[in-house]
This record gives sequence, structure tokens and C-alpha cells, in this order.
Amino acid sequence: DTAVSQTPKYLVTQMGNDKSIKCEQNLGHDTMYWYKQDSKKFLKIMFSYNNKELIINETVPNRFSPKSPDKAHLNLHINSLELGDSAVYFCASSQDWGDEQYFGPGTRLTVT
Amino acid sequence: DAKTTQPPSMDCAEGRAANLPCNHSTISGNEYVYWYRQIHSQGPQYIIHGLKNNETNEMASLIITEDRKSSTLILPHATLRDTAVYYCIVLNDYKLSFGAGTTVTVRA
Repeated sequence: DTAVSQTPKYLVTQMGNDKSIKCEQNLGHDTMYWYKQDSKKFLKIMFSYNNKELIINETVPNRFSPKSPDKAHLNLHINSLELGDSAVYFCASSQDWGDEQYFGPGTRLTVT
Repeated sequence: DAKTTQPPSMDCAEGRAANLPCNHSTISGNEYVYWYRQIHSQGPQYIIHGLKNNETNEMASLIITEDRKSSTLILPHATLRDTAVYYCIVLNDYKLSFGAGTTVTVRA
């Protein structure tokens, strides 16, 4: 009974492709997030959704588009993948803004 | 944004208490201090958070100075499984901004 799950765990793809990463939480939380952890291990927030509405959108290329079909899911679509998109992407959720966040296991994206 | 300063690394003996310092001298009156950790290749894990008072839970204790300019995370009895990167974060605009953290290595 994983709290926050992500699929796939690993994703290897070529430049220019379009890919999606899925995230699901079974905690009944209202807020979900996407983070990117680059090769230097810095973890940066990308997006946050609260009750299916976009709340936080950091300076992220518009090739990245989050989609929240319902409160339990927040998927990340990436168009025209670039080498610099290679990173580990973490999904997280919290009951509400400012509450402790629960992170998924991460998706390691490698763009060749 | 209130920023935090942590030592880059520290070692701790198994079974002993680990005291992790954090400076946040520009913290505002209503900003919380959060601690997370990231064990190798895993997602970050919430540890504890506080505003003014000291806090304790099953994982750790958080001691916040009276002027709130610094805090200390205490792991009372460190185990090898506590080896991780520990992040001290001041919550600003409901966003967690992770810094470099402190790499804690617990040695047998």
C-alpha cells in the first residue's frame, strides 16, 4: 500500500521525444507537487496543484505540462525532450499547503 | 526568502545522539522550520517541523532558539539507517526550497 507512487521508475529516451510520468497518491491529500533533482542533487519545485488547480508554477519551460485528472493523480508531460531534462523527478503530496509532504520514489529520466 | 545554512557533512557514531545545526537568521515571524532527509536513491522523507516551541516526535527532536535564528535537529540514538542527507528548510509561500543539506554518515 504505497502512499505516493510514480511510474515508470526509469525512463530512457532520445532527444526530441515526448514522454509522460505518472503520479498517484492514496493518502486522500488535496495538494500534489512535482520536483526536479539534477545531477548536483539540488531539489527544486516545479509545480504544485491544490484540488486540481495549478497553484505554483516555477520558472519551468512550457515543454513541461502537468495534468491533474483528479485529486489523486498529477501527471507530468514533457514535450521535445532535451539533454538538460535528464534528472530524477519526484512527485509529492500533502494534506494542504504548508503541511508535511510525502514523496514518491522518483523517476530517473535519461535523455540521450 | 529566508535561507538556511548547514554544515556540508558530519559523522556520528552508531547509538549516539546526532545534533544537526541550522542557521536561518533572516527567518520571518510566521515562517516554519522544516526538516527532511533523503536516503540514497530515495525520495525525501519528512522528519519534523516547528515554529517557536521545541518539538519532538518518534523520529527526532527539534530545538529552536528563542530568537528563532537557528535550530538543531536531534536524532537521539543514531543508527546506520539514519545515514542520509538532512535538509533544514524555512517554508516560504508554502514552498519547500531545498539547499545542499548536511550529509550525515553514521558509523558503526
